[in-house]
Amino acid sequence: LAKTTQPISMDSYEGQEVNITCSHNNIATNDYITWYQQFPSQGPRFIIQGYKTKVTNEVASLFIPADRKSSTLSLPRVSLSDTAVYYCLVGDVTGGFKTIFGAGTRLFVKA
Amino acid sequence: ETGVTQTPRHLVMGMTNKKSLKCEQHLGHNAMYWYKQSAKKPLELMFVYNFKEQTENNSVPSRFSPECPNSSHLFLHLHTLQPEDSALYLCASSWSGTSGTYEQYFGPGTRLTVT
Repeated sequence: LAKTTQPISMDSYEGQEVNITCSHNNIATNDYITWYQQFPSQGPRFIIQGYKTKVTNEVASLFIPADRKSSTLSLPRVSLSDTAVYYCLVGDVTGGFKTIFGAGTRLFVKA
Repeated sequence: ETGVTQTPRHLVMGMTNKKSLKCEQHLGHNAMYWYKQSAKKPLELMFVYNFKEQTENNSVPSRFSPECPNSSHLFLHLHTLQPEDSALYLCASSWSGTSGTYEQYFGPGTRLTVT
């Protein structure tokens, strides 16, 4: 499983766009990039997954450059309720079910 | 909300007690997972079951004993726990696909305190 590196924490203000970057220099050809969100004392929630270029859903966008050694989760116009920990994971089904969550990025949105 | 339920939500037990955590998924998935999350630590994968067969055991002490009678139910039997086992225990489920990753759906967790 490829190791990922994210900033430990980030601060933002309501209404701003937040970009969280994840480095995964050892990403394998078959690996996908997945982001989860976790609120305190709750289980993580799947946000978005991508393989290359750009993926967008109703919650976020995921930007993946051509070399795929990093990815950026973009949250448009954050609100206080977006305060959470965001995890970047890299892997694919050929690696089995083993899943490694890193420390994640703690996003704090201020009023 | 997520289709994965866990009971109980909170549990306090002594070190000599035996208790069980229950997880049930209503999503038709065939893989189920147990995670442990200690205070201010990343989630640690404990066990994975795929079609009722255990596929991952992440060097978990034997005082934790999983059971998966079918693809919808997962149990974690606890006995002679230690105070350092106090944590949030999370259950998750997913499909067993052939590409991409296993998008996991998590339950709300059981907050376990060992006294």
